[in-house]
Amino acid sequence: QKEVEQNSGPLSVPEGAIASLNCTYSDRVSQSFFWYRQYSGKSPELIMSIYSNGDKEDGRFTAQLNKASQYVSLLIRDSQPSDSATYLCAAQNSGYSTLTFGKGTMLLVSP
Amino acid sequence: KAGVTQTPRYLIKTRGQQVTLSCSPISGHRSVSWYQQTPGQGLQFLFEYFSETQRNKGNFPGRFSGRQFSNSRSEMNVSTLELGDSALYLCASSLDLRSGNTIYFGEGSWLTVV
Repeated sequence: QKEVEQNSGPLSVPEGAIASLNCTYSDRVSQSFFWYRQYSGKSPELIMSIYSNGDKEDGRFTAQLNKASQYVSLLIRDSQPSDSATYLCAAQNSGYSTLTFGKGTMLLVSP
Repeated sequence: KAGVTQTPRYLIKTRGQQVTLSCSPISGHRSVSWYQQTPGQGLQFLFEYFSETQRNKGNFPGRFSGRQFSNSRSEMNVSTLELGDSALYLCASSLDLRSGNTIYFGEGSWLTVV
């Protein structure tokens, strides 16, 4: 059974610090990976997608993928209180748009 | 452009009743998926439709069903509602089934079963 694992948190960081969120997946055929941010009572919002081994940067966000270790991470630089949310990691296989989600990591950024 | 639209946004049903939820994908998107989100189980995949055909199905009982119309709009139905069906039901759309396509979520339908 395909699984995506995340620490539930909460992960607490002070404003301005780097937040590091991690995710592992069990299905080796997973090809695409996504990080979504979800505020309480809202729907998930796409932050980053990554398909190849290595790093991908977008503003304050950097996604990292290591397919050999089946590991995905998200770094948030200069964390802001508005980044406080639950971050969901998702894996996708080829031929389907279906996403397998982890249960999410709650991030708390204190002013 | 307009995002993924889900209706109704909030609804309360009684055990044993049935419910139908509707989803209009982003214009031009042909793939629609449904997810259930609960505090205990997180986001779980229900179904995936493409060109009116169910392409993938999650591990849910037969009480959960869905369909997609020729205009890509989709509906899901839950019959004989149980208290445990109380959840946020999310619809997501993407252009097609190619891996890597951005998947956009609607705002969801909050279902409470009493």
